[in-house]
Amino acid sequence: DQQVKQNSPSLSVQEGRISILNCDYTNSMFDYFLWYKKYPAEGPTFLISISSIKDKNEDGRFTVFLNKSAKHLSLHIVPSQPGDSAVYFCAAPLFNKFYFGSGTKLNVKP
Amino acid sequence: SAVISQKPSRDICQRGTSLTIQCQVDSQVTMMFWYRQQPGQSLTLIATANQGSEATYESGFVIDKFPISRPNLTFSTLTVSNMSPEDSSIYLCSATPWDRGEQYFGPGTRLTVT
Repeated sequence: DQQVKQNSPSLSVQEGRISILNCDYTNSMFDYFLWYKKYPAEGPTFLISISSIKDKNEDGRFTVFLNKSAKHLSLHIVPSQPGDSAVYFCAAPLFNKFYFGSGTKLNVKP
Repeated sequence: SAVISQKPSRDICQRGTSLTIQCQVDSQVTMMFWYRQQPGQSLTLIATANQGSEATYESGFVIDKFPISRPNLTFSTLTVSNMSPEDSSIYLCSATPWDRGEQYFGPGTRLTVT
């Protein structure tokens, strides 16, 4: 049972434009969400998080939006850079276990 | 944050042998986890490594195949036993520090079984 879903396996964006990565969840008990970035041959690195008491969290070029009623969150990257090309995972912890989405591979074209 | 190292970074092993992967964290952490990532797929949790007690395995993973040790708050090992080509994957160690909600990952061990 996939409680965290990323329905877009890939996304291609031109450098300088906005990248929007989406994530849906089914468990209403989730109250904290994270985004990870993974380059090939490396482990995932923590990027940004959001608590369910907020609907937006911003860190430089990265902003995460949370819509609790829709059980949906999104990661916005603006402006996108070629170095942002990686696989992005959303995740949610519950009872000491993390639930990961299947990932979205972002390709930022120069 | 926590800095996590893994050894070996990669290995090529023969069918039927076993490989032990080591995970070292630079600070004491509450939870340590072992994941597997097969090509083109998401992260699959193998087990939670509990300090001082037996690991908690996820459905589809058993202790005989993936024995795990966690002798202290900064170190854990995962053994992949009696390997077959289907075990070829990236194995990732992760940890959650005492005072943070995030999970930090090691660089992974790329295992190829021939």
